[in-house]
Order: sequence, then structure tokens, then C-alpha cells
Amino acid sequence: GENVEQHPSTLSVQEGDSAVIKCTYSDSASNYFPWYKQELGKRPQLIIDIRSNVGEKKDQRIAVTLNKTAKHFSLHITETQPEDSAVYFCAANRPTGYALNFGKGTSLLVTP
Amino acid sequence: IAGITQAPTSQILAAGRRMTLRCTQDMRHNAMYWYRQDLGLGLRLIHYSNTAGTTGKGEVPDGYSVSRANTDDFPLTLASAVPSQTSVYFCASSREGSSYNEQFFGPGTRLTVL
Repeated sequence: GENVEQHPSTLSVQEGDSAVIKCTYSDSASNYFPWYKQELGKRPQLIIDIRSNVGEKKDQRIAVTLNKTAKHFSLHITETQPEDSAVYFCAANRPTGYALNFGKGTSLLVTP
Repeated sequence: IAGITQAPTSQILAAGRRMTLRCTQDMRHNAMYWYRQDLGLGLRLIHYSNTAGTTGKGEVPDGYSVSRANTDDFPLTLASAVPSQTSVYFCASSREGSSYNEQFFGPGTRLTVL
């Protein structure tokens, strides 16, 4: 997406380690930040999202943090498993309408 | 139909030909979107529709058109295909008007323009 930057583009971790993916956005009007997981050959699926009125949200091994002042948000995966291997996309809602601007994706590989 | 579907699954098309990618959802979602996915570029918005009867341009609309005659269907048309339109196309939909609603994606259409 034109105003969402995502890093790193590739990430390799060992099973059981943590993985962190970071995104920044440019439009201060954005207030919704979802994360999607896409397995090879499959469609993107929402795994967690956060709204601008909260700073952190957790769902089992996955957590997302948001810093609105700095305009960045991060995905944290703890105790990684091989099935976590996929491409992860961050996104921010566009200022008009309901569409999203996506980052370019992070290819996560979890090795046993 | 359950959820959101796309047709065809894949297509090889000669440059200059016209092509319509179909997208149908049965969730009664108001908003629908078309994205293209290219390696290293993520998902880029082509066109969107916030409700039946309205459409809007996204990030990369050139060479594409859409229509939204009813709630369920949102076809994407390439009037005269070019090789740079080779991509995987995803249709998505979300519930009534709110930026907070989850977008559900279709299975995608892999299009190759030769």
C-alpha cells in the first residue's frame, strides 16, 4: 500500500522463538489496523486487529501493539510453530470509505 | 454459495482481449473490493464499492472498471488486457459501513496475459 510500510520482508526463526513484524503508516486519520495471514496458494485471512483507542491486544500467542503518536504498530508471535509459516500483511484503513492499504508483506519461516 | 466466491479460478488471456472476473458474496455485505497481488508488492486496491450502486477508484484503477448493480455481485472488467495486468486478483467484502469490519477474501483468480 502507498502509505503502509512493513519490515522485515522476510523473517526466519526457530520453532519456539518469538517473531516480530513492524509497520508504519502515514495517514493520521487511520484508526483501524488489521493483520492478515496468507498461506501459500490461499486467500488472506484476518488473525488479529486493533483500533486506535487501544494500545495493545492479545489473542493466545499473538499480540499487536499500536503507537498512534509514532504511527507504528507491530505484530508479536510467541512460541512460534512451523504452522505459523506464512506471509503476514499489516494494513491500515484508508481515510475515505472502508478499504484498506496493505503493507508489502513479511514472509515468515519457522524452522523445526 | 457460502461466503465469497470468484470465477474463474485461473485464466490465460491474449493481450488486447476483454475479460470479466466475477465475484459473488452471499453474506449481504454492503462493501466490496478488488485487490491485485503481485510478488513483493502486497495487495493493492483497484476499485471498491461501499454500497450497491456506488463505486470508487483505489490505488491502481487504470485499465480496470467495475459495476455494482446489486449487493451480491461485483464484477471486474479488463477492457483490453495488457501483460502488466498478469496478477492474482482477490475480491473481498465487509459488513455494513464501518472501517472496523473484517474484510473477507475470495479464493482469488490467477490471470496471465500473454
